[in-house]
Amino acid sequence: GNSVTQMEGPVTLSEEAFLTINCTYTATGYPSLFWYVQYPGEGLQLLLKATKADDKGSNKGFEATYRKETTSFHLEKGSVQVSDSAVYFCALSVNYGGSQGNLIFGKGTKLSVKP
Amino acid sequence: NAGVMQNPRHLVRRRGQEARLRCSPMKGHSHVYWYRQLPEEGLKFMVYLQKENIIDESGMPKERFSAEFPKEGPSILRIQQVVRGDSAAYFCASSFRPGAQVTEAFFGQGTRLTVV
Repeated sequence: GNSVTQMEGPVTLSEEAFLTINCTYTATGYPSLFWYVQYPGEGLQLLLKATKADDKGSNKGFEATYRKETTSFHLEKGSVQVSDSAVYFCALSVNYGGSQGNLIFGKGTKLSVKP
Repeated sequence: NAGVMQNPRHLVRRRGQEARLRCSPMKGHSHVYWYRQLPEEGLKFMVYLQKENIIDESGMPKERFSAEFPKEGPSILRIQQVVRGDSAAYFCASSFRPGAQVTEAFFGQGTRLTVV
């Protein structure tokens, strides 16, 4: 079946530190991969996505590369800020005839950035 | 273009009552997905609907839960005879389907259901 596994948190970093949140997946076919961010008390916001192998998604200084050979989509940021404190979810999509169907999420990784 | 609108944001129900959660998708979106987030857990898919059709309800509990997306009006997730274990955040997402293009789903802010 399809599943997503991401590193467990919480992750606590100092401001300007380097961030990596690991994500690996199992899937039939060729899924699209996503990172979503959830700020306290809010819904999920799409952070970045990649739709095929070797694609790199990027947004707000965050990056993730779709690695088919290692079935991974690790999230990285070179220098985190306090405002990046949130829960980050890795997800993949199951496609219905070319359109995204339901998303399958990892359990989420809570990031806390200290000044 | 307003985003996905969910209401209410917070809902408190006593055990045995009914909970009704509403979701208005983004303008132009005809696909709606419901997810449940239990405390300290990721989101779990519940049901995928198009207008007047249930496409995939593989994540819905077999009893007490139902969903609809009528031709007019918002999508409704209904939970009958709620129990404490139904306490969770329920998120709705919507997307459109422009042929073969893959699109992302846009999420609402969620409804936090508390059963007392």
